[in-house]
Amino acid sequence: AQTVTQSQPEMSVQEAETVTLSCTYDTSESDYYLFWYKQPPSRQMILVIRQEAYKQQNATENRFSVNFQKAAKSFSLKISDSQLGDAAMYFCAYRDDKIIFGKGTRLHILP
Amino acid sequence: DAGITQSPRHKVTETGTPVTLRCHQTENHRYMYWYRQDPGHGLRLIHYSYGVKDTDKGEVSDGYSVSRSKTEDFLLTLESATSSQTSVYFCATLGHYGYTFGSGTRLTVV
Repeated sequence: AQTVTQSQPEMSVQEAETVTLSCTYDTSESDYYLFWYKQPPSRQMILVIRQEAYKQQNATENRFSVNFQKAAKSFSLKISDSQLGDAAMYFCAYRDDKIIFGKGTRLHILP
Repeated sequence: DAGITQSPRHKVTETGTPVTLRCHQTENHRYMYWYRQDPGHGLRLIHYSYGVKDTDKGEVSDGYSVSRSKTEDFLLTLESATSSQTSVYFCATLGHYGYTFGSGTRLTVV
């Protein structure tokens, strides 16, 4: 069965600095999708970035980028120029026919 | 997201009573999902549907049933609520650009 592991339950970063959230996954499939979701205190699940496994190029969305290492089954999220509004729970997720989530990393932004 | 509505937003119920949570979508998506979110566990899949009257179990399906009689509605039922089912429940759909989540239902079983 597929699993998703986020080894950092909580992290803190100074405002305007860069932070990287780790995610590893386990699968025997070759074609799948990976996601990072953000959940602020409002509880809404917001898609941050997505990566197709067949694409070697790392996905980027403004200040958010990923380091996708398919052979190592690693999918880390880098947030540049951290802002107070980035404070949230971040979930890494894997999808083939259904989506499986990691347990989340709570990110604190220090002013 | 305006395309998915969950109701109710909050509910308190007593142990042993039946509870039904509703998910309504306006995007005509084929796939719909129910998740529960608990501290330290992330989101765990309860049941999902891949079409009208087509459903399947997720990893934490015990104590839950679902029904999908129309494309737009996906109902989650707790036949006899227990305190372990106190949680936040999310509905999601799968569209062309990925998953979209509802705003969640906070259920408390006392």
